[in-house]
This record gives sequence, structure tokens and C-alpha cells, in this order.
Amino acid sequence: SAVISQKPSRDICQRGTSLTIQCQVDSQVTMMFWYRQQPGQSLTLIATANQGSEATYESGFVIDKFPISRPNLTFSTLTVSNMSPEDSSIYLCSVGRGSLNEKLFFGSGTQLSVL
Amino acid sequence: DQQVKQNSPSLSVQEGRISILNCDYTNSMFDYFLWYKKYPAEGPTFLISISSIKDKNEDGRFTVFLNKSAKHLSLHIVPSQPGDSAVYFCAASANRGSTLGRLYFGRGTQLTVWP
Repeated sequence: SAVISQKPSRDICQRGTSLTIQCQVDSQVTMMFWYRQQPGQSLTLIATANQGSEATYESGFVIDKFPISRPNLTFSTLTVSNMSPEDSSIYLCSVGRGSLNEKLFFGSGTQLSVL
Repeated sequence: DQQVKQNSPSLSVQEGRISILNCDYTNSMFDYFLWYKKYPAEGPTFLISISSIKDKNEDGRFTVFLNKSAKHLSLHIVPSQPGDSAVYFCAASANRGSTLGRLYFGRGTQLTVWP
């Protein structure tokens, strides 16, 4: 498994502002993954963050809206930019285990509410 | 389009009895399946997984069954305990030729185990 610390745990933000979510892992990992869970919906992959390269975004997610940093092998940030109420979700950081990262372990999540 | 479906949003079971949570999927490329448990204000916790080359995997009180022809899997909890009360997510991945770390999740089933 992995110990994944994520902060803030929750925040209430105003429309048009940005929030940066931090994720710290207790061991070095090549890939970190950011997921989102909108109310009543399933978890959806936003992007994969590799150390030393640009993040890879899934369809429907763009770098301008969700910029990601990955400065080292244990840390990553996700920024939710120019927020609107539709961005109200739980944002989750995760790391993989297994030869294909087939088993994911998640942080405790960030509950974001946008007014 | 939801590729992993959990058609029962909730399940209520008496302590000591068996809990059976069901999951259906549509993508025949999925070759690895996982169950996660989630408590409020926490991230999903990995519970048990199964590869498509197996039809059953057991870990203590938890057993996952996979029926590939029906594209169906189920999680059995025996005996159920009040501490098992949580939201259970089914997830799947297509590890051959797919984005590493991309899991497709169902919307979850709220399990309540009552004394």
C-alpha cells in the first residue's frame, strides 16, 4: 500500500478563483494520478502526472483548467482554475502499485465547494 | 457512457448475514477488476481484486466472483459486520494497451449493516 497525504481536506471557494491541492506520498513513485468525483457520480481520471514531463490529460480535461505540477517523485499539485459551481467535487490523488499500476491507492481527498 | 455499472445504489443487511454487491461492465477489454470501500470524508480504500484469468478470489470475509461471459462480478461479504457499512465501488481496467492507472468506476453501492 502507500500513505498518501492530501490537503486541504476541504474548502469553500468563490467563483472565478483558483485552488491548489497538494499530494504527498511516503515513497517515490513514477506516476501519480488525479481523479475527480462529482456529486452522485463515479470517480473519473483527470490526468496522469509523471515526474520530469508534462502531465497527460484525459478527454474532457485541459491543462489550462487543471494545471498539474510534479516537482519530484513524492509530491504533486493539482490546481482547479477559474472555478465555477460545476467544479464542486471531491478531488483525489492516487498512486499505483503492481507492474502496470493496476492497483490504485488513494489519498483522503479534497472536498471542494464553489459558490 | 458508463462502462461499469452498479445498479443498486443501496443495500441493507443484518449483521452476521451475507452481503452481495453486484457490478456489471460493458467493455470486453477489461482484464482486471477491483473493489474499493469508502467511508465518509475518506478516500477509497482498496479491498480486493481479481484478474480476468480467474473466476474467484478470496481474502478473509471477502470474496469476489467474476463471470466473464455475463460481464458480471460480485463481492460477497460473510459474515457482514456493522463496520462494513460504507460505500463500495467496483472498478475495472484494461491493462493491455491502455492508459496505466486509468480505472473505470461504478457509481457505488451504499451498504448498511444493522445489528
